[in-house]
Amino acid sequence: DIVLTQSPVLAVSLGQRATISCRASQSVSISSINLMHWYQQKPGQQPKLLIYRASNLASGIPARFSGSGSGTDFTLTIDPVQADDIAAYYCQQSRESPWTFGGGTKLELK
Amino acid sequence: EVQLVESGGGLVQPGRSLKLSCAASGFTFSNYYMAWVRQAPKKGLEWVATISTSGSRTYYPDSVKGRFTISRDNAKSSLYLQMNSLKSEDTATYYCARHAHWETFDYWGQGVMVTVSS
Repeated sequence: DIVLTQSPVLAVSLGQRATISCRASQSVSISSINLMHWYQQKPGQQPKLLIYRASNLASGIPARFSGSGSGTDFTLTIDPVQADDIAAYYCQQSRESPWTFGGGTKLELK
Repeated sequence: EVQLVESGGGLVQPGRSLKLSCAASGFTFSNYYMAWVRQAPKKGLEWVATISTSGSRTYYPDSVKGRFTISRDNAKSSLYLQMNSLKSEDTATYYCARHAHWETFDYWGQGVMVTVSS
């Protein structure tokens, strides 16, 4: 199985940039297609798709969210961070079954 | 608007069975793969099952293979998860999700809680 590793917590100040990382135990890219996706989950709510294929914004997601990376290393960036962005963020790979998620990064206010 | 509404959760004893349902609306249900994803209390997300558009193909991780069965009724726009031989480690919130293009889980229901305990 492909293991995705995320730092558990990231503390940021409002208005600053947040960079959340996800490292895969093996490449999740096929040719130039990066099969890594990002989700946001606020307390008590279901997850919401933010970014698909590493860098594509899902429908209705604000442009302050962006994604990058390839191979085994991926990044979700929020710039600038707003109060509404305080949540947990999960990466997920679709390179192979079983589809796996990272352990999540909880974004907290500094 | 895409809506996914789960039902059927509750408290069940270890070794017993439970069946979850998910009612879908706002999209052509029969055109999409569908999935179940769970989240244990205070834990991360775990994919549990996926079913093809026709229902002819199903996929599971090893943790539930042989115990859980995903199914669908396209005429009713409904998804199901039959859970047998339940264990305490199956305690979680179970989410119904649309499994878009075999890649992302692009819409999620609000979730239903399943507690396995004696």
